[in-house]
Parts: sequence; C-alpha cells; structure tokens
Amino acid sequence: TQLLEQSPQFLSIQEGENLTVYCNSSSVFSSLQWYRQEPGEGPVLLVTVVTGGEVKKLKRLTFQFGDARKDSSLHITAAQPGDTGLYLCAGLTSGTYKYIFGTGTRLKVLA
Amino acid sequence: ETGVTQSPTHLIKTRGQQVTLRCSSQSGHNTVSWYQQALGQGPQFIFQYYREEENGRGNFPPRFSGLQFPNYSSELNVNALELDDSALYLCASRGEGLWGETQYFGPGTRLLVL
Repeated sequence: TQLLEQSPQFLSIQEGENLTVYCNSSSVFSSLQWYRQEPGEGPVLLVTVVTGGEVKKLKRLTFQFGDARKDSSLHITAAQPGDTGLYLCAGLTSGTYKYIFGTGTRLKVLA
Repeated sequence: ETGVTQSPTHLIKTRGQQVTLRCSSQSGHNTVSWYQQALGQGPQFIFQYYREEENGRGNFPPRFSGLQFPNYSSELNVNALELDDSALYLCASRGEGLWGETQYFGPGTRLLVL
C-alpha cells in the first residue's frame, strides 16, 4: 500500500517566521502536487513537480522534489496569517491514474 | 473559483439509508474523480470516470458506485450507509493548468450519518 506521510501534522507559528513541511514515501512518483485546503472548501493546487531534484518557487513558497522522486518539501518564508490552512501533498505513480494524498499538515499563522 | 460545483453542501442521513451526491465539472473535462476526506485526514481516492466509464477504483466496497453523464456532471451513490461514511466528499475534474495536468476540486459535500 502506497503511503505519503507528512510532517509535522500540526504547526502553529508567529507571523514572519519560516517553516518547512515534509512529504515522504517509500514509493517513486512520476509527479507530486502540493495543495492548500481551507475550511469548507476543496483543495486548491499550488504546484506540480515532475523532475527529481526540481525546485519551484511561488512568491514566498519554495517546493522541492527529492532526487529519487520519493519525497518533497514545502518551505514558506515570512509566513503570513493568510497562509493558514491544511497543506496536502499528492503523488501520482507512473502508469496509474490515481493520486495518493498525504496525511496533511495543518498550519496556523498567528498575527 | 475552480468551476466545479457540488450539491448539496451538507447532508444528514441515518444508518442504512442511501445517498446520491452530485458534481458538475468544467466543460471539456472528460475525467472526474471522487474522494472521501475524513475529518483531519487527506482525501482518499474512491473511483474515477473517463467519458462515462469507470476506469479506476480505490479501496472502497461496491456499495459506493457512480455515474458520469455526457454533460460533464457526475454522481456518487452510497448504499446502506454506515456511521464511518461520515466525511467530506470531494469531486475533482482534470484539465490542463499552469503546471500541466491539474485536478480542479469542488467545495465538497459534507455527509453526516447518524
């Protein structure tokens, strides 16, 4: 059974701090996506990474895909209260059709 | 705004009843997936439809079934509801986005089984 584990599960930080969320698996993924989900809404895609070692930046968010395409990280610089939400990673295995979601990291940024 | 809508937004049922949840995908998106998200967890894949045919299924029993229609709408049906079926049910249509193939999620239907 494929499993994507995220850490930490919960994170509460002050505005302006930096943080990193990790997504780890023993499986190799052809692509990996990061989503943010807010209460009462569905997940919204932030980024897709495809190539091992790839780094993508989206304003204050930096996403990295591991060299072996088994893990990924999301780093947020100078967190803001608007970053509060549930962060989910989701991996797609080559030759399959379904995305496996991680366990989620619930982030709260205090003003 | 993803262009994917779901109805109803909330639903309360009792154990043993049947329920139908609806999803309207973006026009032109031929693939729709359904997920179950229990409180505090990530979404779990239920099944996927492509052009009205089921082409993939997760680890869910047969009492979870679905339909997809030519007008890009779809249904998730759950028979013989159990207490553990209480969850947020999400549908997602697939299309091209900024990063390549993208899943566009609806806001979900929150189901409570008593």
